[in-house]
Amino acid sequence: EVQLVESGGGLVKPGGSLRLSCAASGITFSNAWMNWVRQAPGKGLEWVGRIKRTNDGGPIDYAAPVKGRFTISRDDSKNTLYLQMNSLKTEDTAIYYCATNRDFDYWGQGTLVTVSS
Amino acid sequence: QTLVTQEPSFSVSPGGTVTLTCGLSSGSVSTTYYPSWYQQTPGQAPRTLIYSTNIRSSGVPDRFSGSILGNKAALTITGAQADDESDYYCVLYMSSGVSVFGGGTKLTVL
Repeated sequence: EVQLVESGGGLVKPGGSLRLSCAASGITFSNAWMNWVRQAPGKGLEWVGRIKRTNDGGPIDYAAPVKGRFTISRDDSKNTLYLQMNSLKTEDTAIYYCATNRDFDYWGQGTLVTVSS
Repeated sequence: QTLVTQEPSFSVSPGGTVTLTCGLSSGSVSTTYYPSWYQQTPGQAPRTLIYSTNIRSSGVPDRFSGSILGNKAALTITGAQADDESDYYCVLYMSSGVSVFGGGTKLTVL
């Protein structure tokens, strides 16, 4: 059974930083493209960014609203995906999901990030 | 920036058929965008229904189907049931490597 478990969410002040993690099991993590997707309260899904397989190389892709502030990384030895979020804004408040591959075939349950003073 | 468009809301009668669409603000959707569809109920994570245009995810009933209709991707639900009442999202994979979700369609079954 595939399981993706996000953690690291919480309350942070504007301008602050937070690092999210996504622990994967039930998949060959090193073969998976991994995404972050977020959903602001009462709003739709928004793709945040994607990291391909380590062996694929190439750039990490980001959505325009987070480019330059957020950094996606992975540790294949720990089957874990990360999202480092810096210079947080109130509009970054959302549930953050990790999801696998280009097709987002598997999803975690999400972790809530609240940016507020 | 390219926008992905979906109907904000749709209504279908129990047992009826409904087709939701996923378009582009500029241009046509084709299989090269690998359109995928997700169902989400309040408080839950999204559930994958269809990926790569028309491939049903494991465990998804065959009354859900995906296709390209004209210049849009489409999700058709045949024989709608009460528990199909959900939000439905599509996503397109752009040639630049970014993915863009549509704004979602709120489906009511009544």
